[in-house]
Amino acid sequence: GAVVSQHPSRVICKSGTSVKIECRSLDFQATTMFWYRQFPKQSLMLMATSNEGSKATYEQGVEKDKFLINHASLTLSTLTVTSAHPEDSSFYICSAPHGLITGELFFGEGSRLTVL
Amino acid sequence: QKEVEQNSGPLSVPEGAIASLNCTYSDRGSQSFFWYRQYSGKSPELIMSIYSNGDKEDGRFTAQLNKASQYVSLLIRDSQPSDSATYLCAVNNNDMRFGAGTRLTVKP
Repeated sequence: GAVVSQHPSRVICKSGTSVKIECRSLDFQATTMFWYRQFPKQSLMLMATSNEGSKATYEQGVEKDKFLINHASLTLSTLTVTSAHPEDSSFYICSAPHGLITGELFFGEGSRLTVL
Repeated sequence: QKEVEQNSGPLSVPEGAIASLNCTYSDRGSQSFFWYRQYSGKSPELIMSIYSNGDKEDGRFTAQLNKASQYVSLLIRDSQPSDSATYLCAVNNNDMRFGAGTRLTVKP
């Protein structure tokens, strides 16, 4: 079964509104979670690393004030897309390292955001 | 130079054939290597991991790693139509970097 749960799977919003996406680790604690964005037919692009109890680390070119990340607990990280615009429409995926194997990531189901 | 490079394909093989997927990476210090399968509209799922030079087999899948050549591959034996997906190569050295993916189509 899934070890990382993401919600919502699909969301449609109007331009200028904010959207929150939740990522939960199931039955394990995740001090770190990763947020990726994927445009159609393109690869996963790391947006930021979410750290429990501290500020997220953003990749170059990702606006931290636009993509707010909160890692409030050891099992929950949230990504809020603020003042969304059509160009923010994408597939957003979270992941968390899990298990004994170094570097192995498990992914949430992904959230498809459409901004009208 | 991209950190992780894959041939984007599409790669088309007949059912029952061997599919060969290739990946090169630029960071010589990378230690962990992964293959993920991603169906259209879905998130990636891990199918293989490899950490040392040589081959690693798991069912119909074989991962091959050559650190000297900075090359990792995935072989899928007895390909099935259900194997049709995009295969992502991922390399981990402090954080995970993904290739663009190779789209595989297995024709019945």
